[in-house]
Amino acid sequence: DVKVTQSSRYLVKRTGEKVFLECVQDMDHENMFWYRQDPGLGLRLIYFSYDVKMKEKGDIPEGYSVSREKKERFSLILESASTNQTSMYLCASSTPSSYNSPLHFGNGTRLTVT
Amino acid sequence: AQSVTQLDSQVPVFEEAPVELRCNYSSSVSVYLFWYVQYPNQGLQLLLKYLSGSTLVKGINGFEAEFNKSQTSFHLRKPSVHISDTAEYFCAVMPRLNQGAQKLVFGQGTRLTINP
Repeated sequence: DVKVTQSSRYLVKRTGEKVFLECVQDMDHENMFWYRQDPGLGLRLIYFSYDVKMKEKGDIPEGYSVSREKKERFSLILESASTNQTSMYLCASSTPSSYNSPLHFGNGTRLTVT
Repeated sequence: AQSVTQLDSQVPVFEEAPVELRCNYSSSVSVYLFWYVQYPNQGLQLLLKYLSGSTLVKGINGFEAEFNKSQTSFHLRKPSVHISDTAEYFCAVMPRLNQGAQKLVFGQGTRLTINP
């Protein structure tokens, strides 16, 4: 069965800390995505990657960076966490031509920055 | 660019009643259309999709949606809801591109609450 695993369900960090959110998929998918989910705003794309070491900015990349050193792992990095980055973060993966089920999601990481 | 508007942020209905969740989109190119569901404390799951062909598409759990090109809408319906349908529902579009990572653009979400 398809599986996207986010390493932490809940995280609490302090303002200014460097934060790593990890995501691993076991489906050999080329594409991986990071979204943040906020009430009333739906899901907004932060970054995505279509291959190892490749990355592209999404709609709200400011304050974030990503790393994809291996195909199965896609990390989201908050260089200096701020309170406005308190949110639910969702990782997803897909194959380039998988319109049948374009995105497979993890269960999310709820990050609180205090 | 694409945008998606879900017209209702919250929809309360009684169990066994019908429900319609509304979705309108805007795009300068042709798109694929999707509905996803998010149950409490879970990620999103695909409910149904419109790629081409018949404008009425059926999904899991008894849901269906109708694509209306002239009104740029993709409303989700279920004739009789169950308590277990309580969840947040997201409409999304994806531009029809030949290559590259397909990026979904999501609406704001509609929280469906089923009351006994």
